[in-house]
Amino acid sequence: QKEVEQNSGPLSVPEGAIASLNCTYSDRGSQSFFWYRQYSGKSPELIMFIYSNGDKEDGRFTAQLNKASQYVSLLIRDSQPSDSATYLCAVRRTNAGKSTFGDGTTLTVKP
Amino acid sequence: GAVVSQHPSRVICKSGTSVKIECRSLDFQATTMFWYRQFPKQSLMLMATSNEGSKATYEQGVEKDKFLINHASLTLSTLTVTSAHPEDSSFYICSARDPTTPTRDNEQFFGPGTRLTVL
Repeated sequence: QKEVEQNSGPLSVPEGAIASLNCTYSDRGSQSFFWYRQYSGKSPELIMFIYSNGDKEDGRFTAQLNKASQYVSLLIRDSQPSDSATYLCAVRRTNAGKSTFGDGTTLTVKP
Repeated sequence: GAVVSQHPSRVICKSGTSVKIECRSLDFQATTMFWYRQFPKQSLMLMATSNEGSKATYEQGVEKDKFLINHASLTLSTLTVTSAHPEDSSFYICSARDPTTPTRDNEQFFGPGTRLTVL
């Protein structure tokens, strides 16, 4: 079992729809959770981070964390074609520790 | 966010040669930098964690003698791929954490990556 699991996709949604990306992790000691976006041929860029159970909203993005279920998700509202990318989930046990990345989910937003 | 640069962005070399990739934190001092490798359509694979002034910590399966990492200052880490072979062709990405604030300390800022092609 991988430490961080994501559906590889591809996930395809129409423009304007809500895209829902999911991630599960195995280490119950994980404290910090991150979502990165990676365009083809580019390096990852941080979209959201979340530390506490519940929802965290930033613009069109909402991260949801449920530590009891070891589950973190990213919702993208009003999806745009420019959101088409691979989304990487990462978890970290401690501030000083390394992040463990999932394999990523490829999202395609169709005009 | 903090800025991390990498140089070169793209390099093509002959098999058997060594290639050095630089990673710089431009507006903060990074006590810890990370080196990743990513093959096409695959995930980021952590190669090593580089701490300023000390030896890098390599992930299992990564050859220390082949991938030399030096973190001589708080703003510069280098990765040298020694005796490169075609199978080393990949996208190498560094990242750094900014320890100046609790929030920024918890984020990883990625460099733009270096695409290595070994002929």
